[in-house]
Amino acid sequence: EAEVAQSPRYKITEKSQAVAFWCDPISGHATLYWYRQILGQGPELLVQFQDESVVDDSQLPKDRFSAERLKGVDSTLKIQPAELGDSAMYLCASSLEASSVEQYFGPGTRLTVT
Amino acid sequence: AQKVTQAQTEISVVEKEDVTLDCVYETRDTTYYLFWYKQPPSGELVFLIRRNSFDEQNEISGRYSWNFQKSTSSFNFTITASQVVDSAVYFCALMDSNYQLIWGAGTKLIIKP
Repeated sequence: EAEVAQSPRYKITEKSQAVAFWCDPISGHATLYWYRQILGQGPELLVQFQDESVVDDSQLPKDRFSAERLKGVDSTLKIQPAELGDSAMYLCASSLEASSVEQYFGPGTRLTVT
Repeated sequence: AQKVTQAQTEISVVEKEDVTLDCVYETRDTTYYLFWYKQPPSGELVFLIRRNSFDEQNEISGRYSWNFQKSTSSFNFTITASQVVDSAVYFCALMDSNYQLIWGAGTKLIIKP
């Protein structure tokens, strides 16, 4: 069964450093989501892509976070510089299209900022 | 405003007990979807169930059952004869008319042997 791939699974970085996460959605899925999940909370949508275009990035802290999906397939989420408060699980999900009710989640990247 | 409330932060029961996790939602949409996900310590989100707003039939899947009541805006989840492997954080979520997921804060379920 096709799955959403994410790497790395775990990342420890020092504050003020740059960090990047990668996501490869299920083949053929046009919509890709990045979520941030702080410990003890539910996931929060950071950015939504439809193909290579950003549909919603209203919750993305744009002063330090950036996301791209250049060819409309895989995606990279970057944080520069990382802050202690960025420690969280970063989840990627994909769906066939923006109006799909099924989102398929990857295993996540657990980020610790020291 | 769209909102999902899981009032139980943590529940601890002894194995084989039944346990119910509460979920209350708020939405102005007439068409919406409700979900439950399980998140074990490894962190991945495991999909459990999806219901649409027009289907109030209760669902049973093995030891899991779900009670959807539009009159009280609730979508509660019951585990019968709980097992240690059921220990996890459980999330209730609402998909709104924009097809975006609004998540509850989660309930941490601890099953003691």
